Amino acid sequence: EVQLVESGGDLVQPGGSLRLSCVTSGFSFTSYWMSWVRQSPGKGLEWLANIKTDGTSANYVDSVKGRFTISRDNAKTSLYLQMSSLRADDTAVYFCARERIGGRVDLEFWGQGTPVTVSS
Amino acid sequence: QSALTQPPSASGSPGQSVTISCSGTSSDVGAYNSVSWFQQYPGKAPKLIIFEVNKRPSGVPDRFSGSKSGNTASLTVSGLQAEDEADYYCSSYAGTNHLMFGGGTTLTVL
Repeated sequence: EVQLVESGGDLVQPGGSLRLSCVTSGFSFTSYWMSWVRQSPGKGLEWLANIKTDGTSANYVDSVKGRFTISRDNAKTSLYLQMSSLRADDTAVYFCARERIGGRVDLEFWGQGTPVTVSS
Repeated sequence: QSALTQPPSASGSPGQSVTISCSGTSSDVGAYNSVSWFQQYPGKAPKLIIFEVNKRPSGVPDRFSGSKSGNTASLTVSGLQAEDEADYYCSSYAGTNHLMFGGGTTLTVL
């Protein structure tokens, strides 16, 4: 069974940093691109970033470029999102998602999400 | 990049069909056959129900179907059931390994 479990969400002050983790199991992690997506309270979904199977290439949406860094540890079958210079509008539930092989950022499996609140 | 445009709400009675639209541009929806649809219940993770415009993952009922014409994609739910009441989001590949989402549509089963 495919499982993605996010953790690391917390209450953080504006300007602060936070590292989210996504531990995966049930599939060959090294074969899949992975993505992070967030959902602000009562609002829609926003794709944030994705990373290649071997971690050598990543892409970001403009709103987080330069502030967020996606990474992965294939030995630990884990995905990470390092967030810095956090702002109030970064408050959201953050999901990790597995992309479908052969697709174009087709998000076929999602974790349950971890909440991040940016507030003083 | 602006989000794809979806109607905020849609509704139908049990057994009826409902269609939800997703409007984009010639740079995203119109450029690629990489439109997906997700179903999300409150407090839960989104679930992929349609990918590549009209393909269903294993286990998704064939009551759900997708299509695309020009810059607009559509999700049709046929034979509405109470359990179909949820939020629905479209997404489209937008080039250079980026993804865009629609704003979401709340489907109410009357």
